[in-house]
Amino acid sequence: NAGVTQTPKFQVLKTGQSMTLQCAQDMNHNSMYWYRQDPGMGLRLIYYSASEGTTDKGEVPNGYNVSRLNKREFSLRLESAAPSQTSVYFCASLDSEGGYGQPQHFGDGTRLSIL
Amino acid sequence: SQQGEEDPQALSIQEGENATMNCSYKTSINNLQWYRQNSGRGLVHLILIRSNEREKHSGRLRVTLDTSKKSSSLLITASRAADTASYFCATGAGNTPLVFGKGTRLSVIA
Repeated sequence: NAGVTQTPKFQVLKTGQSMTLQCAQDMNHNSMYWYRQDPGMGLRLIYYSASEGTTDKGEVPNGYNVSRLNKREFSLRLESAAPSQTSVYFCASLDSEGGYGQPQHFGDGTRLSIL
Repeated sequence: SQQGEEDPQALSIQEGENATMNCSYKTSINNLQWYRQNSGRGLVHLILIRSNEREKHSGRLRVTLDTSKKSSSLLITASRAADTASYFCATGAGNTPLVFGKGTRLSVIA
């Protein structure tokens, strides 16, 4: 019963490198989300996917792309990493079939440092 | 932009005391949720209260919601060292994604 699994857990990149963060959930949830968490800033939504086949921008989408590969998997790509993207990235999922007033389930995050 | 704002930003109490955290928000909501985050981990859902509810309990947790004041409070009774964590409120409206506040860091000293 893994819930939401994120890989990798840690990564160090150089400026300009590309990277894909992986997220998979085993709860058959429709909706999936990518957040970044910076000190003193709380969680900010980068992109989300309300259902398989759809993706939408959140509050801070610039510099990122996403792919909803199937119902289970939602990846986040940094095409050309910048130091401002140093952060902790969290993936979450939600069973939106019961309406959006449902709890989100989070992975344990990917800690990304860009030098 | 963040919807919920928690207060205080940080709180330090002795084990056995009660901890109260507040959340204020700006626009209409249909539900408000509280999450806990232990150091180095993801957020864990604690409790959800709908806009037509005023109070909800779960174990040592008590949540209130005042939609006229656009505010909520989370009370943790008889706190334990294991309650040390950051606590976030998140507001939901319609089919839009939850919006999280910046959190309250709670330290419970044994």
